[in-house]
Amino acid sequence: DTGVSQDPRHKITKRGQNVTFRCDPISEHNRLYWYRQTLGQGPEFLTYFQNEAQLEKSRLLSDRFSAERPKGSFSTLEIQRTEQGDSAMYLCASSLAEYYEQYFGPGTRLTVT
Amino acid sequence: DQQVKQNSPSLSVQEGRISILNCDYTNSMFDYFLWYKKYPAEGPTFLISISSIKDKNEDGRFTVFLNKSAKHLSLHIVPSQPGDSAVYFCAASALPNTGKLIFGQGTTLQVKP
Repeated sequence: DTGVSQDPRHKITKRGQNVTFRCDPISEHNRLYWYRQTLGQGPEFLTYFQNEAQLEKSRLLSDRFSAERPKGSFSTLEIQRTEQGDSAMYLCASSLAEYYEQYFGPGTRLTVT
Repeated sequence: DQQVKQNSPSLSVQEGRISILNCDYTNSMFDYFLWYKKYPAEGPTFLISISSIKDKNEDGRFTVFLNKSAKHLSLHIVPSQPGDSAVYFCAASALPNTGKLIFGQGTTLQVKP
């Protein structure tokens, strides 16, 4: 197994543009999580899926953010009308539902200019 | 509010000595704790975990201690190696397993040869 992968690794966009990130979890994992990390901070929870169902969303996830996991496999995180404050590392993780341990991908670094 | 706190932003130790990283939490509902290690440009890597029903868990050079009454956990690395130089995050999960991990701000460990 190759672990959790994320694409792209880096994204530079202008304020007001939309961006979409993709995450491919470890194949047998039924849970998939999105976190955001800013400089000097730990990852902050955004949302998670169990199979196709989105079970929890953080209040950090404004209306401009949407996440999907259409077939219970890969997931996408879209940010509409990006703002400079959206600049961060977006991390994806996966796990089996019965275990607490989550395994992270390398992240997508977003820079909004 | 910061429910998981790592009050030491950085720690420097000599190779071969013990590294002790500390973490405090405020939420008594947390029932499972994890440590992650993060190298630059990579996602966090799971290191070791402990359930709230235990007070110690050991895995090779890594030992995690949990003091529930003090709401404190620590990670001991013995002996420390230069390759251990990284940012270490503690994280907590609340009952029931909601999937959400709450991370501390991280401690940067430097192990000097």
